[in-house]
Amino acid sequence: AQRVTQPEKLLSVFKGAPVELKCNYSYSGSPELFWYVQYSRQRLQLLLRHISRESIKGFTADLNKGETSFHLKKPFAQEEDSAMYYCALTRAAGNKLTFGGGTRVLVKP
Amino acid sequence: GAGVSQSPSNKVTEKGKDVELRCDPISGHTALYWYRQSLGQGLEFLIYFQGNSAPDKSGLPSDRFSAERTGGSVSTLTIQRTQQEDSAVYLCASSLGGARPYEQYFGPGTRLTVT
Repeated sequence: AQRVTQPEKLLSVFKGAPVELKCNYSYSGSPELFWYVQYSRQRLQLLLRHISRESIKGFTADLNKGETSFHLKKPFAQEEDSAMYYCALTRAAGNKLTFGGGTRVLVKP
Repeated sequence: GAGVSQSPSNKVTEKGKDVELRCDPISGHTALYWYRQSLGQGLEFLIYFQGNSAPDKSGLPSDRFSAERTGGSVSTLTIQRTQQEDSAVYLCASSLGGARPYEQYFGPGTRLTVT
């Protein structure tokens, strides 16, 4: 069975501080990992996917297969980063997304 | 272009009544997904369509839940004899489908409240 764990329900940081959202997964095969974000009163949207190895809005995430982790990081948080963040997993040739419980990020001025 | 749309945006129903939730995917997207977002359970997968077929219904919580898709486009999620625990936001997503896990685009959701 596939499972995604986000241990922090809430992260509160000051503007300009680094932020790291933890994500651990369990899956026996070769998964694809994603981070989705939901800003206030907006729909859920893809932030980044591990296969792209890109930085979006200053966020990066590295897949660590040894530690089965896919933590999301940003060196300097901005107020507009305040949102709900979900880590998600799917099979490499799969379909449904399995989501973590989500982490609410609050960036204080 | 238009994104995924869902209707109604809000639905309040009495316990025991049936409800239908509608999803219009992005044109050309062959895959369609239903998820449920609730306070206690987070985001849960319900069912996946490829075209009009549903190869994965594993997330449907009970036989009161059913879904269909017609013309490879619109999908309807039906909940019969609603219970209070069915209260949640029901999200629909669509993607290009196929063997690769293409990006899923989400709709705004239908907030269902069962009183």
